[in-house]
Amino acid sequence: EIVLTQSPGTLSLSPGERATLSCRASQSVSSSFLAWYQQKPGQAPRLLIYDASSRATGIPDRFSGSGSGTDFTLTISRLEPEDFAVYYCQQYTSSPGYSFGQGTKLEIK
Amino acid sequence: EVQLVESGGGLIQPGRSLRLSCTASGFIFGDYYVSWVRQAPGKGLEWVGFLRSKAYGGTTEYAASVKDRFVISRDDSKSVAYLQMNSLEIEDTAVYYCTQPMVRGVARSDYWGQGTLVTVSS
Repeated sequence: EIVLTQSPGTLSLSPGERATLSCRASQSVSSSFLAWYQQKPGQAPRLLIYDASSRATGIPDRFSGSGSGTDFTLTISRLEPEDFAVYYCQQYTSSPGYSFGQGTKLEIK
Repeated sequence: EVQLVESGGGLIQPGRSLRLSCTASGFIFGDYYVSWVRQAPGKGLEWVGFLRSKAYGGTTEYAASVKDRFVISRDDSKSVAYLQMNSLEIEDTAVYYCTQPMVRGVARSDYWGQGTLVTVSS
């Protein structure tokens, strides 16, 4: 089973700053089948990025994904107030066990 | 518009069984995989399992933590997916989400329901 480790656990930044979130896999994620989700309190998660770098429908272009193999990154170019949330990565290539990372909390500094 | 609505959650005693439903609308349900993801209170997301569409064999995959206890099924004529949960444990307490992809043949979670809370307690 592929284990995903996200870092940092908590990221404290101010609106307007750039956020860089990391997701590292214990084994290579084939075909870059990796997604990023955003979750706000009391809400279901929302898909942001799929296939490592493709933005989901309706996602602003300040969100971008990159990486391949075992190292993946979610970048938010200029933080807006509504971007402060918890972010999860998930691989959907290795069955059984389409594992999620443990999450990164992005909080306002 | 794609909509997923979960139902069937509630308070249940350890060792008992419970069946959740996920009713879909806004797309051809039978063409796509359906997945279940859960989130224990204050914790992160945990993948539970998925059921492939009939075109891809209609087979299932499960997380080790629920394998042999949980069963995912579907009724494409009703656009409904089910999560049958047997031998429930306190650790199964969570909000359960059903999810669907927007492309065929992939167990990705493009769309999410609002979730249904399952509380396992005596």
